[in-house]
Amino acid sequence: TQLLEQSPQFLSIQEGENLTVYCNSSSVFSSLQWYRQEPGEGPVLLVTVVTGGEVKKLKRLTFQFGDARKDSSLHITAAQPGDTGLYLCAGADGQNFVFGPGTRLSVLP
Amino acid sequence: ETGVTQTPRHLVMGMTNKKSLKCEQHLGHNAMYWYKQSAKKPLELMFVYSLEERVENNSVPSRFSPECPNSSHLFLHLHTLQPEDSALYLCASSQDWEGGIDTEAFFGQGTRLTVV
Repeated sequence: TQLLEQSPQFLSIQEGENLTVYCNSSSVFSSLQWYRQEPGEGPVLLVTVVTGGEVKKLKRLTFQFGDARKDSSLHITAAQPGDTGLYLCAGADGQNFVFGPGTRLSVLP
Repeated sequence: ETGVTQTPRHLVMGMTNKKSLKCEQHLGHNAMYWYKQSAKKPLELMFVYSLEERVENNSVPSRFSPECPNSSHLFLHLHTLQPEDSALYLCASSQDWEGGIDTEAFFGQGTRLTVV
């Protein structure tokens, strides 16, 4: 069974700070997705990365897929209270589609 | 609006009740999923349907019974649940279920279930 680990589990920062969250596995994935889930809602897809070493930017969010396609990071620049939520990574390996446990981010005004 | 709609949004039921959760998608997807999200635990995949056939059942108790009458609708029938079954139940859909490179899941808003 493929497993995805995410760190940190919880993160509380002040508005304007930068942060990075991580998604790691010992397995190789053909693609990896990042989702954000706000309280009382379902997860919403942010990005999909498919190529080792790939970097994608979405406004203040920067996503990177590891060269070996086993890990990924999400960097947020100048965090805002609207970034608050649960950030989930999910990986596909051609047979399975699995989610990590998530990083719960709180951005304080 | 993600294209996946779940009803009801909130449900409170007694342990002897029978209720059903409904999920509807109009994205033309072939795969639909039920996930359970409990506090402080990762998303747990419960059931997968591909082209209206159940293809995965992750050791889910029989008090949860899925039904997929067509490619756009998915139900989760609930019967004699336990308090520990209280959770957010999420429905999702994707183009296909093989876990391939383009597997991107679109989620509904979930049903917050409380068993009393």
